[in-house]
Amino acid sequence: DAGVIQSPRHEVTEMGQEVTLRCKPISGHNSLFWYRQTMMRGLELLIYFNNNVPIDDSGMPEDRFSAKMPNASFSTLKIQPSEPRDSAVYFCASSLALIRGLAGGEYTGELFFGEGSRLTVL
Amino acid sequence: EDQVTQSPEALRLQEGESSSLNCSYTVSGLRGLFWYRQDPGKGPEFLFTLYSAGEEKEKERLKATLTKKESFLHITAPKPEDSATYLCAVRRSGYSTLTFGKGTMLLVSP
Repeated sequence: DAGVIQSPRHEVTEMGQEVTLRCKPISGHNSLFWYRQTMMRGLELLIYFNNNVPIDDSGMPEDRFSAKMPNASFSTLKIQPSEPRDSAVYFCASSLALIRGLAGGEYTGELFFGEGSRLTVL
Repeated sequence: EDQVTQSPEALRLQEGESSSLNCSYTVSGLRGLFWYRQDPGKGPEFLFTLYSAGEEKEKERLKATLTKKESFLHITAPKPEDSATYLCAVRRSGYSTLTFGKGTMLLVSP
């Protein structure tokens, strides 16, 4: 089975330009996450979708960042306008989220990550 | 706020030299502690999930353990191919998201 697919793998752009990162989650997964990784701050959650609906976007740094998930197999993260401090590796991850069993138990799957999109803003 | 602290930041071992990585956490209602491995230029790759204190899991030369305040990743007789950054993360009850530590960069020399 294909894993999480991200594009582009590398993006170099100039300050002020619009950047769009794309993600295709694993088929059948109902949760999608966008994380950002830098040396200073490590992996930080930006936004989380469940069943295509944004659940938690408290990690989105500011209004320049936006994310969409129009269907279960596609998500985008857009930065407009981009700034040098946005330079980082952006990861998309998917999982099979909480499923409550008949006995009240719950199943929470691990997150599967894509290879990341390395963004450099000059 | 959930906090995850990993130590050391970097660790250099000789092949065959066993050691442990530490992950200290503060979370309200732990619903899973996760270990991931990350190779340069790649995304994190899932290793283990631990749910309760006293639980242990093993995979090849790696063994993860969990207490109420920390987790250890024990590496027995490491090989150069074990070189990677090891990330620890926690999930809070009722949430699907993970909070990650900054990782431990492990280098195993032949």
